[in-house]
Formats: sequence, structure tokens, C-alpha cells
Amino acid sequence: NAGVTQTPKFQVLKTGQSMTLQCAQDMNHEYMSWYRQDPGMGLRLIHYSVGAGITDQGEVPNGYNVSRSTTEDFPLRLLSAAPSQTSVYFCASSPTGGKGYTFGSGTRLTVV
Amino acid sequence: AQRVTQPEKLLSVFKGAPVELKCNYSYSGSPELFWYVQYSRQRLQLLLRHISRESIKGFTADLNKGETSFHLKKPFAQEEDSAMYYCALPRNYGGSQGNLIFGKGTKLSVKP
Repeated sequence: NAGVTQTPKFQVLKTGQSMTLQCAQDMNHEYMSWYRQDPGMGLRLIHYSVGAGITDQGEVPNGYNVSRSTTEDFPLRLLSAAPSQTSVYFCASSPTGGKGYTFGSGTRLTVV
Repeated sequence: AQRVTQPEKLLSVFKGAPVELKCNYSYSGSPELFWYVQYSRQRLQLLLRHISRESIKGFTADLNKGETSFHLKKPFAQEEDSAMYYCALPRNYGGSQGNLIFGKGTKLSVKP
């Protein structure tokens, strides 16, 4: 039982490049979310999903896309990377909303 | 508006001293509150759920609805308690509870 797995752990992008951050969970959780963590800002919600085929925007969705074609996977796409997207990204899942989220180990992204 | 406030960015104590990490919230309804802990460069881990009223690693937290607070306490701090602590509550979506809203976090430093 791996829990929530995020790849890659580290990534450096050039401004304007696109990439996908992967997130997979093997706990059959319905809820999945993406957060970004920045110093002094806490964790801010980017996008979330309440089940396969259902996604919605969080607090800071601009510049990011998501899809949820299966219960297990919830990839986050950066369309055209900007230095303001330099951050640590965490994926999390929960069996239902607000019930003890399990977090992945994070992806540390630097955009130069 | 739903909000979580952690007024202290940094809390520094000596080993063996009592610790209280403050958390205040605003929420319409009866929230389920959480404390998460993040050790250096690691994933967030669930420390406490108020609804379970359990003690983890010597930490306890009591929900005070009158003061809208959920402060985290430990009578005797240990050096291994040094970490970032986040208070969180679920967003209220029409009466059901969804994704977590996080405070900005308090960094606890326990000195020998």
C-alpha cells in the first residue's frame, strides 16, 4: 500500500515550458487535491476533484489544468511555466471531503 | 468567510517547557478541525483530529466553540517536536465538508 505517490520529486523548468506533475493513490479515495506551499503563505488549493470525471478550481487555479479520468490518478499540468510557479506542490487524497487527507511527498519545482 | 488563523509564524521554546500553538477559525456550522505536522522537507502528516479526541506524541487540542479556537498543546516539549505545524478545517460546501483550508503555519523550534 503506497499511499499517495508524486513524481517527479524535483524539477527545473525554463519559463514558457510545460510539464505534468503526476499523482497517484492506491487507497480508492474519492477526493483528491493539489496544493502549493510557499513560505509564509501556508498551503493554497489549486484544483480538486470529488471523483473520476469531476474537477473544480481552488483558490489559485490560473496557469494550471487538471483531469481525473480514473479514481487513482490526478495529474496537474502547467501550461506555460512562469517564475511565480516556483513552489512545492503537494497532492492529497481523502475517502470523503475533509476527512483526514493523506499527502504525497511533494514536488519541488523551480522555474527559471 | 471560512478562515484559519495561526497568529505566530515562529514559536521557540526550551526542551521540557510547555508548548501552545494557537489556532483560531471562522466557520458557519460545526467544523471538524485538524492539526497537521511537517518535519523538515517531508510530507504533511495528520497529527490530530478534534473529533477523535486522541493524544498523539503527547499533543492534545481542544475545540473551544465560544472562542472559535483549536489550540495545540503539549506539557513538555522535546527537540524532535521541532517542525512546521498547520491548523486546518474543511471548506463548507452547502452543508457538506470539502477540501481543507490551511492556516499559514507555525514553525516550532525546541532548543536543547
